[in-house]
Amino acid sequence: EAGVTQFPSHSVIEKGQTVTLRCDPISGHDNLYWYRRVMGKEIKFLLHFVKESKQDESGMPNNRFLAERTGGTYSTLKVQPAELEDSGVYFCASSQDYFPAAGIQLGNEQFFGPGTRLTVL
Amino acid sequence: KNEVEQSPQNLTAQEGEFITINCSYSVGISALHWLQQHPGGGIVSLFMLSSGKKKHGRLIATINIQEKHSSLHITASHPRDSAVYICAVKVETSGSRLTFGEGTQLTVNP
Repeated sequence: EAGVTQFPSHSVIEKGQTVTLRCDPISGHDNLYWYRRVMGKEIKFLLHFVKESKQDESGMPNNRFLAERTGGTYSTLKVQPAELEDSGVYFCASSQDYFPAAGIQLGNEQFFGPGTRLTVL
Repeated sequence: KNEVEQSPQNLTAQEGEFITINCSYSVGISALHWLQQHPGGGIVSLFMLSSGKKKHGRLIATINIQEKHSSLHITASHPRDSAVYICAVKVETSGSRLTFGEGTQLTVNP
């Protein structure tokens, strides 16, 4: 089974340009997460989709970031216009919720993609 | 102050040594993850814990919920274990997203 994939692996753009990152989760995973790591800092949460709906977007830094997940499959994260401080590695993760009995949710392990390294010059 | 703190930040060991990486957290959690990131590579999940201890090969992870502390142990370390090891928690009040520590850079020399 294919894992989480991300495209591109690297992107170098100039300040003010637009970049779109793509994440393809594991097939059948309803949950999709975006995280990023900026230089010297810990990885931080950006947002969480359940299927096509944004469950939690509290980590999105500002309105230059737009995430979509049309049809509940792959997701895109657009940065427009990019700023220097947006440089970092953007990770996507997916997981599947398990509901073996009504109302009971088991812990859901997140599977990470290889990341996209974004450099804004 | 980060809700998840790891120590040490950097660790250098000789091949064969027993290694311990520590993680402390200051919030209530529903699960704790240990993750591994190789240079230039993606992130691999090693363990997900909510209590007790788990073992996989030469890796052992333990968690003490009362003390809000977890450890990752590597027995008979090998140069291929060189990587960044990251502790991440699922905070009880924050849904299913993960909150991460800064990571521990481990270098195992032959």
